Amino acid sequence: EVQVLESGGGLVQPGGSLRLSCAASGFTFTNSAMTWVRQAPGKGLEWVSTISAGGDSTTYSESVKGRFTISRDNSRNTVSLQMNSLRAEDTAVYYCARGGPDSTSPNPYFDPWGQGTLVTVSS
Amino acid sequence: EIVLTQSPATLSLSPGERATLSCRASQSVRSYLAWYQQKPGQAPRLLIYDASNRATGIPARFSGSGSGTDFTLTISSLEPEDFAVYYCQHRSMWPLTFGGGTKVETK
Repeated sequence: EVQVLESGGGLVQPGGSLRLSCAASGFTFTNSAMTWVRQAPGKGLEWVSTISAGGDSTTYSESVKGRFTISRDNSRNTVSLQMNSLRAEDTAVYYCARGGPDSTSPNPYFDPWGQGTLVTVSS
Repeated sequence: EIVLTQSPATLSLSPGERATLSCRASQSVRSYLAWYQQKPGQAPRLLIYDASNRATGIPARFSGSGSGTDFTLTISSLEPEDFAVYYCQHRSMWPLTFGGGTKVETK
């Protein structure tokens, strides 16, 4: 079964840091781009970041550029999101998903998604 | 940035009825558009990719059409499990964006 599973969410103070992880299984991880999408409470979906299959290309939304870093370990089938200088507006459920635009990846859209991990930024 | 505008925001229908959801892009995304379904407390699920292709395991009552700037998701006959929020998303260029969603609720 193709699946992704996020971990690492929690409560953090404004200005703090948090690292999210996503473990993938059931597919050839090295062939797929990976993406983080977030959803603030009661709101819609917002794309955050995508990393290419090989890990050599990363792209970020303007709202997180310079604060968040996406990375992957193809030997462990994991992708991570390092979040620094967190703000209240970063409070959201963060979803990891297989896929994203990448000339070497067969999955340009997001499928499947993990169950999400909640990040709350509050003092 | 490409803005995706979904309409209506809410669609009130009964089981068995036909649902027609719209997604309009601020500039052409060619056919690089997907539709996702999200139920309360669950992660989104891919329904349609590249405007008109059903994802694996998606029932035939779901269909997508359109290209350029105007897209439609049609549910031919609503089943009880179809009442949910639907989002469109493009992959035409960075940044990737989602529409604001259409909630299909029980009338």
